[in-house]
Amino acid sequence: DAGVIQSPRHEVTEMGQEVTLRCKPISGHDYLFWYRQTMMRGLELLIYFNNNVPIDDSGMPEDRFSAKMPNASFSTLKIQPSEPRDSAVYFCASSLLVGGGNEQFFGPGTRLTVL
Amino acid sequence: AQKVTQAQTEISVVEKEDVTLDCVYETRDTTYYLFWYKQPPSGELVFLIRRNSFDEQNEISGRYSWNFQKSTSSFNFTITASQVVDSAVYFCALSEDYGGSQGNLIFGKGTKLSVKP
Repeated sequence: DAGVIQSPRHEVTEMGQEVTLRCKPISGHDYLFWYRQTMMRGLELLIYFNNNVPIDDSGMPEDRFSAKMPNASFSTLKIQPSEPRDSAVYFCASSLLVGGGNEQFFGPGTRLTVL
Repeated sequence: AQKVTQAQTEISVVEKEDVTLDCVYETRDTTYYLFWYKQPPSGELVFLIRRNSFDEQNEISGRYSWNFQKSTSSFNFTITASQVVDSAVYFCALSEDYGGSQGNLIFGKGTKLSVKP
């Protein structure tokens, strides 16, 4: 299996621009997670989906952030408009079953820089 | 409240030394799961191990071993005979098994391990 795939790997944009991050989970996994990693806050969950339905979006920082999962093999995280404080590494992860006993497999991450 | 504390921000050792990474967790749940992930300089997060709250048996896998103690809410990770390739940031994480937080991994801040030749 190819693992979790994320694109782009690096994104540099200017403040105010729209940014779209993409994720393809491992085939057959029912759960998809978006995390953000920063030096100040560490790794934090933004949102997760079960069978394409958002379950918990309490970690989404504000209305500028939105996430969708139109089908089982694709998800997007959109930031509009982007701000410099959004600069971070964004990870997508997937798991076969939720419930704490199942490990999440992470993608390589997208390093976002907002100038 | 759920919380994971990794008090050691950075550790530096010389190759072949043993090193222990500490992890202390807080949870109100009786059923929970603990994880260790490794983040090498390349940036990806690699799953290392999972333990559930009902299994306090320590585990050894090659040069890696884990010591889970519910009495002290600790889940420590030891690398024996460290190697340069072990250099990475290591994250301890907690997942509870109830209600809305099901599936949410709570990560510690990580411990950066540098193994020097």
